[in-house]
Amino acid sequence: DAGVIQSPRHEVTEMGQEVTLRCKPISGHNSLFWYRQTMMRGLELLIYFNNNVPIDDSGMPEDRFSAKMPNASFSTLKIQPSEPRDSAVYFCASSLGTGGYQETQYFGPGTRLLVL
Amino acid sequence: KNEVEQSPQNLTAQEGEFITINCSYSVGISALHWLQQHPGGGIVSLFMLSSGKKKHGRLIATINIQEKHSSLHITASHPRDSAVYICATPNFGNEKLTFGTGTRLTIIP
Repeated sequence: DAGVIQSPRHEVTEMGQEVTLRCKPISGHNSLFWYRQTMMRGLELLIYFNNNVPIDDSGMPEDRFSAKMPNASFSTLKIQPSEPRDSAVYFCASSLGTGGYQETQYFGPGTRLLVL
Repeated sequence: KNEVEQSPQNLTAQEGEFITINCSYSVGISALHWLQQHPGGGIVSLFMLSSGKKKHGRLIATINIQEKHSSLHITASHPRDSAVYICATPNFGNEKLTFGTGTRLTIIP
């Protein structure tokens, strides 16, 4: 079975440009999580979806960030406009979706974003 | 707010040594996760536990809910165990996953 798929794996863009990160969760998983990892702040939860509905978006840093999950097999995280401080590795993870944060999550390989 | 602290931040050991990594948290929780991040960046979930002890191969995770403390042990450590180990907990209301800052483990052959 394929694991969590993220694209692109690497993205280099200039400040002010729009960036869209994509995630395909494991088939049959009903929860999806977006995380950001930086050297300064470590891993941070950005947003958590269950059954395509945002449950916890308190980690979304500001209005420049938005996330959608139009169906059970696809989610996007968009940054518009991007800034150099958004440079980080963005991970997507999925889980079965019956226990919230109390179940094993499966992580994608991450997207390494560099904003110049 | 849940404060999650790990110790040590860095650990270097010889192959074969017994390794212990600690995680403390400040609020009542329902479960605790241990994650492994490989040098290439990939993250793997090792354990999720809410009480007692779990074992998988050479890895053992324990949790003491009353003391708000969890440990990850590695027996007969091997260079391939070199990674960053991260603990994470939701708070008692099953809201907001908080991560520790990680322990960087290096096993020398």
